[in-house]
Amino acid sequence: AQKITQTQPGMFVQEKEAVTLDCTYDTSDQSYGLFWYKQPSSGEMIFLIYQGSYDEQNATEGRYSLNFQKARKSANLVISASQLGDSAMYFCAMREDPSGAAGNKLTFGGGTRVLVKP
Amino acid sequence: EAGVVQSPRYKIIEKKQPVAFWCNPISGHNTLYWYLQNLGQGPELLIRYENEEAVDDSQLPKDRFSAERLKGVDSTLKIQPAELGDSAVYLCASSLGQTGGETQYFGPGTRLLVL
Repeated sequence: AQKITQTQPGMFVQEKEAVTLDCTYDTSDQSYGLFWYKQPSSGEMIFLIYQGSYDEQNATEGRYSLNFQKARKSANLVISASQLGDSAMYFCAMREDPSGAAGNKLTFGGGTRVLVKP
Repeated sequence: EAGVVQSPRYKIIEKKQPVAFWCNPISGHNTLYWYLQNLGQGPELLIRYENEEAVDDSQLPKDRFSAERLKGVDSTLKIQPAELGDSAVYLCASSLGQTGGETQYFGPGTRLLVL
């Protein structure tokens, strides 16, 4: 079974509007972390936001916020006030219990391509 | 602060040739990772180093891939011989250490094309 699922292969969003990127995950660990990365066409993976499984509040970083619903095992990324520079691939990733066999390994989803229209 | 540096950025080789990628992590980061990213997919871990020690190389195809991290800083990933299916982006990442919670920071990647 996929550990990280991103069901939206691609989406368009109008400049200045908000967009929500879906991510669901599967783990039996109690301690885990969820990450979102942005990958523009240049190829570099840029860290956006992190949510720990024990964090009670949803993470926010500037225009990025993470809608964390633990019971549903979802960690959706919300980008507010989209800009043309937000056009990129977005990857959701999970790090399971770092004390376990996986260590600090990140498992990535398949990504969602976002294209911001002017 | 300088980010993760990788070179070369692009490499084109013929199959059966050897190739090597170099990575310099963020200063002070003890943990270094090599990921493979196939076209249209998310990255997959190849190997993880804690200082000089390879602590997770279970996904590294050891018949043709090798890696080293001498002195616990820079790292080199080698493929010998390369196959057509090795065409992909090779990403290096680093983090402070394995105490949990550290974010991994990625370099720009090396895009490999095997002809």
